[in-house]
Amino acid sequence: DTEVTQTPKHLVMGMTNKKSLKCEQHMGHRAMYWYKQKAKKPPELMFVYSYEKLSINESVPSRFSPECPNSSLLNLHLHALQPEDSALYLCASSQVGGNQPQHFGDGTRLSIL
Amino acid sequence: DQQVKQNSPSLSVQEGRISILNCDYTNSMFDYFLWYKKYPAEGPTFLISISSIKDKNEDGRFTVFLNKSAKHLSLHIVPSQPGDSAVYFCAASGGGNQFYFGTGTSLTVIP
Repeated sequence: DTEVTQTPKHLVMGMTNKKSLKCEQHMGHRAMYWYKQKAKKPPELMFVYSYEKLSINESVPSRFSPECPNSSLLNLHLHALQPEDSALYLCASSQVGGNQPQHFGDGTRLSIL
Repeated sequence: DQQVKQNSPSLSVQEGRISILNCDYTNSMFDYFLWYKKYPAEGPTFLISISSIKDKNEDGRFTVFLNKSAKHLSLHIVPSQPGDSAVYFCAASGGGNQFYFGTGTSLTVIP
């Protein structure tokens, strides 16, 4: 069982829809991450939150909007996505600071019609 | 440009033998390295890590070796078991919370 929980596991949405991906962890970690992974590619970092503040935004389009309402929760709000945004979206958490492994959820498989 | 590379997309090994997975990196500022295992329909699971102050770290059947001068690390699994069949990603960090992942090696352990 993963200690990082992501919902939903699968999501199909149209290009005009608004939806949100959710991530929750109860390991006391204060750093949380969103990654995007396409088939046969490595995970690509999108956002990093440290102590509930956005610390890294890897030039992600504004149609992706992250939110960290508290130390246990991380959301990714989606609006007006494109078909090329179809991918596996992974959430991870870790202790803040260097040399700390990240712990991943099982991801949300997103399909854009 | 890919800073962490896994040049072997796949590897097949007989059960009980050693599996060796390789990873190369280009950024000399990387000082922390990890291996993750990923089963289909699951997220990556942290396996083992090594800091640049060490050249070997062992955890049960898994050993990671780091050769800083060659910018190369490897994961040894001994003995290999069918349950080890998965995709293995190496990752590297330069001291912050930003990790760079390789493209993965799919390991198949043949019973």
